[in-house]
Amino acid sequence: QKEVEQDPGPLSVPEGAIVSLNCTYSNSAFQYFMWYRQYSRKGPELLMYTYSSGNKEDGRFTAQVDKSSKYISLFIRDSQPSDSATYLCAMSPSGSARQLTFGSGTQLTVLP
Amino acid sequence: GAVVSQHPSRVICKSGTSVKIECRSLDFQATTMFWYRQFPKQSLMLMATSNEGSKATYEQGVEKDKFLINHASLTLSTLTVTSAHPEDSSFYICSARDPSGGANEQFFGPGTRLTVL
Repeated sequence: QKEVEQDPGPLSVPEGAIVSLNCTYSNSAFQYFMWYRQYSRKGPELLMYTYSSGNKEDGRFTAQVDKSSKYISLFIRDSQPSDSATYLCAMSPSGSARQLTFGSGTQLTVLP
Repeated sequence: GAVVSQHPSRVICKSGTSVKIECRSLDFQATTMFWYRQFPKQSLMLMATSNEGSKATYEQGVEKDKFLINHASLTLSTLTVTSAHPEDSSFYICSARDPSGGANEQFFGPGTRLTVL
């Protein structure tokens, strides 16, 4: 079993839809949770960064962490064609310079 | 956010040659940088952790004599793929940890696409 599981998709939605992206994990030591967006042939770009459980909102993006269920989500409201990319979840134990553990990524296409 | 650059963005080389890839943090000092490789439609696989002024820490299965890492300054880490072969063709991405940010916040470079003929 992988430490971090992420549905690879692909996921296609119409413009304006609400998108829900999810990851589950098995390591209870993870405390820091991140979502990255990666356009084709580019490096990942940090979208959201949260610590421990709870919600964080930034514009059209909302990140949720449920540590009791070992489940994290990224919601995209009013999705745009420019949101079409691969979304990677990543997580790390607390208080260390440990490298991230990444999910395999979900490929999202927002259709105009 | 912090900016990380990589050079070159793509390189094509003949089998048996060595290729050097540079990773720079442009507006912050990075004591720790990370090197990843990514195959098409797959996630990032960590290769090694590069620490300024000390030896790199390699992940299991990564040949340290083949993938030479040097972190000579707080803003520059280099990855040299020695005696490259076609199976080394991949997308190589570096990241740098910004100490002024969150404890585990990393910023990624744009990647280098290596093609070995």
